Amino acid sequence: RKEVEQDPGPFNVPEGATVAFNCTYSNSASQSFFWYRQDCRKEPKLLMSVYSSGNEDGRFTAQLNRASQYISLLIRDSKLSDSATYLCVVIQSNTGKLIFGQGTTLQVKP
Amino acid sequence: GAVVSQHPSWVICKSGTSVKIECRSLDFQATTMFWYRQFPKQSLMLMATSNEGSKATYEQGVEKDKFLINHASLTLSTLTVTSAHPEDSSFYICSARDLGGTTYNEQFFGPGTRLTVL
Repeated sequence: RKEVEQDPGPFNVPEGATVAFNCTYSNSASQSFFWYRQDCRKEPKLLMSVYSSGNEDGRFTAQLNRASQYISLLIRDSKLSDSATYLCVVIQSNTGKLIFGQGTTLQVKP
Repeated sequence: GAVVSQHPSWVICKSGTSVKIECRSLDFQATTMFWYRQFPKQSLMLMATSNEGSKATYEQGVEKDKFLINHASLTLSTLTVTSAHPEDSSFYICSARDLGGTTYNEQFFGPGTRLTVL
């Protein structure tokens, strides 16, 4: 089983739609979680951290469910510019290394 | 924010040659830099952790004699792909951790180097 798993998609949604991605992790001791965004042929960029209480940044909401070991990312009012691959990242608790999921591809259509 | 650069951004080489990729932290110091590899439609895979002034730590399955890492200063790490073969063609990305940053776990990524071995 992979340490971090994501549905690769692609998710094709119209502009203005709300879309949600989930990510599961296998190590219950993991403490830190992030969502990164990666555009085609570019490096990943930090989108937001994921806190236990959940957090929101504009149209983006991240949530953590420790009991079920998954994190989610909700994007409201999708824009064309949101088209990208969203990477779920978990910090490996004993080493501090970043473990990346495969990524979920989002395509927002006009 | 912290800036990490990589050079070259892309390289095409013949099979059997060696390729050196540089990773620089431009406005901060980094005792630790990381090298990742990403194949198409796959996740970033950590290859090695580069520590300034000491030997790199390689992940399982990564050949240290094939992927030579040198972290000579607090702002520069290099990855040399020796005797490259077509299966080494990939997107190589480095990242660096800001010593003075407030977010310990935040890593800043370079723009990546796309290697194509013919």
